[in-house]
Amino acid sequence: EPEVTQTPSHQVTQMGQEVILRCVPISNHLYFYWYRQILGQKVEFLVSFYNNEISEKSEIFDDQFSVERPDGSNFTLKIRSTKLEDSAMYFCASSELGTSYNEQFFGPGTRLTVL
Amino acid sequence: ELKVEQNPLFLSMQEGKNYTIYCNYSTTSDRLYWYRQDPGKSLESLFVLLSNGAVKQEGRLMASLDTKARLSTLHITAAVHDLSATYFCAVAGGSNYKLTFGKGTLLTVNP
Repeated sequence: EPEVTQTPSHQVTQMGQEVILRCVPISNHLYFYWYRQILGQKVEFLVSFYNNEISEKSEIFDDQFSVERPDGSNFTLKIRSTKLEDSAMYFCASSELGTSYNEQFFGPGTRLTVL
Repeated sequence: ELKVEQNPLFLSMQEGKNYTIYCNYSTTSDRLYWYRQDPGKSLESLFVLLSNGAVKQEGRLMASLDTKARLSTLHITAAVHDLSATYFCAVAGGSNYKLTFGKGTLLTVNP
């Protein structure tokens, strides 16, 4: 069964460093999303991406964040200068265009720890 | 701004008992999702509810949607230990169906 994959599973970085989180969405999906979950809290929407551009972003997704689809398979989230409060689990999700369900399938997540 | 409220946030049950988790949301939506999350793991899709009056069942879990009341319920029947997890409801909104999640219900089923 197709699934969303994410790498790395765990990333530890120093405050102020840049990180890139990688995702491979399900191959025939066209909508892509990033969410984050701070430990013990709810899942929060960061950004949605369609047709090679951001379609919606939340207040959390400030200038330090960017997303890219560098090739036909990868979808990346970059944090330019990490802060302590960026420590969270980051989930990538994808959904298929044109289905009534528009169900989003989530990857296993990347746990980001900023020291 | 869409708000999603779940209650209870914590639920400790005995095996064999029944209980219901409630999910209220603030603005009109015709797509509601229930997810399960085990500690340190990703989100597993349980149910997708698309229309008013929709009811879906899988094993000991049954979900329903009342779009007029903006309420969904997740009913647990004869709970077993394996159901221990955090359950999230999420409501789709916006042009790209971004999900707004509730805070989650941490369910613990005790022998």
